[in-house]
Amino acid sequence: GESVGLHLPTLSVQEGDNSIINCAYSNSASDYFIWYKQESGKGPQFIIDIRSNMDKRQGQRVTVLLNKTVKHLSLQIAATQPGDSAVYFCAENRRSNDYKLSFGAGTTVTVRA
Amino acid sequence: GAGVSQTPSNKVTEKGKYVELRCDPISGHTALYWYRQSLGQGPEFLIYFQGTGAADDSGLPNDRFFAVRPEGSVSTLKIQRTERGDSAVYLCASSRQPNSPLHFGNGTRLTVT
Repeated sequence: GESVGLHLPTLSVQEGDNSIINCAYSNSASDYFIWYKQESGKGPQFIIDIRSNMDKRQGQRVTVLLNKTVKHLSLQIAATQPGDSAVYFCAENRRSNDYKLSFGAGTTVTVRA
Repeated sequence: GAGVSQTPSNKVTEKGKYVELRCDPISGHTALYWYRQSLGQGPEFLIYFQGTGAADDSGLPNDRFFAVRPEGSVSTLKIQRTERGDSAVYLCASSRQPNSPLHFGNGTRLTVT
């Protein structure tokens, strides 16, 4: 069946360290993946996206890696800051149904000072 | 502001009442989406508009839910005979075109007592 999920519901990281948030998906037809950050009381905020013809994409302090062989997606945050504390969602958007996003349950990241 | 605007930010209503939730998308965005987010979960798709028409309403849970976008800009999500199980955060998002990143508003938190 279709599912997008994160490996761990919570992640605690020391300020200044790098964070890695993982996501597994089961739909081999998935073509487009997005990471969102959601702070308390706010809507999801777009971080970075990647299409299935790429393995890696970098943004400002963030890198998304896609491993289609094992259907795994990860978000790396460099030099984690207190402002990075939030819930992170990966979302899947299939080519044949490419206006719907399917979200996982999210990983709560807490940055320790 | 330049983002997606949703009103009201909070709505408390009694079971059985009718509610309307409003969404102002980003100017120029033709695609508009409604999602629902329960506590501790990722957003779930409800309905998608391309222009004025509902291109996909397959996520609406039942016929008590209805949404319109009469002029291709502002959208209203309408819920009749509200039930306690309808309590959630209702998120609106827009995108410049389908298959491009969604930009979310901060949502309307609906509480049915």
